[in-house]
Amino acid sequence: AQTVTQSQPEMSVQEAETVTLSCTYDTSENNYYLFWYKQPPSRQMILVIRQEAYKQQNATENRFSVNFQKAAKSFSLKISDSQLGDTAMYFCAVQGAQKLVFGQGTRLTINP
Amino acid sequence: GAGVSQSPSNKVTEKGKDVELRCDPISGHTALYWYRQSLGQGLEFLIYFQGNSAPDKSGLPSDRFSAERTGGSVSTLTIQRTQQEDSAVYLCASSETGDYTYEQYFGPGTRLTVT
Repeated sequence: AQTVTQSQPEMSVQEAETVTLSCTYDTSENNYYLFWYKQPPSRQMILVIRQEAYKQQNATENRFSVNFQKAAKSFSLKISDSQLGDTAMYFCAVQGAQKLVFGQGTRLTINP
Repeated sequence: GAGVSQSPSNKVTEKGKDVELRCDPISGHTALYWYRQSLGQGLEFLIYFQGNSAPDKSGLPSDRFSAERTGGSVSTLTIQRTQQEDSAVYLCASSETGDYTYEQYFGPGTRLTVT
């Protein structure tokens, strides 16, 4: 079984600040991927970044980076130079078998 | 190219009625997934299709829920005798294959409201 926990239901920061969203997970799979998805009010789930569990190097995508601690089963997302368009729900997810297992989400608001 | 599309965008139905939700995956994608997003349960897996293999129905919450995928492309999720607790956003996703290394692409979802 796989579980994902996001302990921050809501976060709010000022534009241009850096913000870190937390995620812990549990899985019995040996090979798996971890994801952060963004869901704006349009409901469209957008992949922000993904990390292969067997890779030690943390993934980065422009202003988005992760801190992957495999032993601790932790996968946090850092957003640098936050922008108003980053306002959305953010979901952490793990995929080992076919299906994605999601956390409960963090509602992130970027204030002008 | 075109992404995953879903119809209708919104559906309001009366308790006890049947509803059908449609998903058009990305052309060529052999794997198709349905998820449900509700206030109390978050995002949860419902069913998975991979090519011509038997679907993984392990996430369907009751026998009122069923899904089919015709010709390995379009999928329909059917909810019979709808209940108020079925109110949620139903998301469809597709990927090139069912291998976990392939990204799932999501559609915009169907918001179902049962009155």
